[in-house]
Amino acid sequence: QVQLVESGGGLVKPGGSLRLSCAASGFTFSDYYMSWIRQAPGKGLEWVSYISSSGSTIYYADSVKGRFTISRDNAKNSLYLQMNSLRAEDTAVYYCASSAAGSLNYFDYWGQGTLVTVSS
Amino acid sequence: EIVLTQSPGTLSLSPGERATLSCRASQSVSSSYLAWYQQKPGQAPRLLIYGASSRATGIPDRFSGSGSGTDFTLTISRLEPEDFAVYYCQQYGSSPPTWTFGQGTKVEIK
Repeated sequence: QVQLVESGGGLVKPGGSLRLSCAASGFTFSDYYMSWIRQAPGKGLEWVSYISSSGSTIYYADSVKGRFTISRDNAKNSLYLQMNSLRAEDTAVYYCASSAAGSLNYFDYWGQGTLVTVSS
Repeated sequence: EIVLTQSPGTLSLSPGERATLSCRASQSVSSSYLAWYQQKPGQAPRLLIYGASSRATGIPDRFSGSGSGTDFTLTISRLEPEDFAVYYCQQYGSSPPTWTFGQGTKVEIK
């Protein structure tokens, strides 16, 4: 069955960096578009970044542009999010989510999330 | 940027009752690009509806979606105990590509 498992979250000071990973299994990872979506404590969902199946097309939300970098390694069935210059408002659970080829407009599978806390 | 406004914020209903959730967009949204998700406490969101009215794999037929333009609706025909959760609508905008969520509607047990 489809499984997405995030890791790499934790406590980091403002201005610090963190790298999140998402390990995929149960489907042909290289065929799927992938995204990161976050949820601040007690709040709603916010899309963060998207990467195409080949990695050639990438988009970011304005709130993270220039600070976060999304990447993927299809040989390792893995998705990454490098987060630099972290701010308190980046505190959230970060989910990786997949979108089937031809259906980039919605997210069909989600991981369980990893918590990032930015605090001094 | 399209803003999605969900109403009501909280819906208090009893099992067996019908739930009607609204999602209103600030500009017209293609029906193909409107989805609904369910999220239970401590869990990841789960896709329920895509393309405004198509049920995702494994979703019971008591869940249905409808609407077009700026007004979309998620209906749960008869609430089961496991349906009490928060529901989010989401739209995809292509220029530039962005994915936007509504603020959510909580369906709670009355």
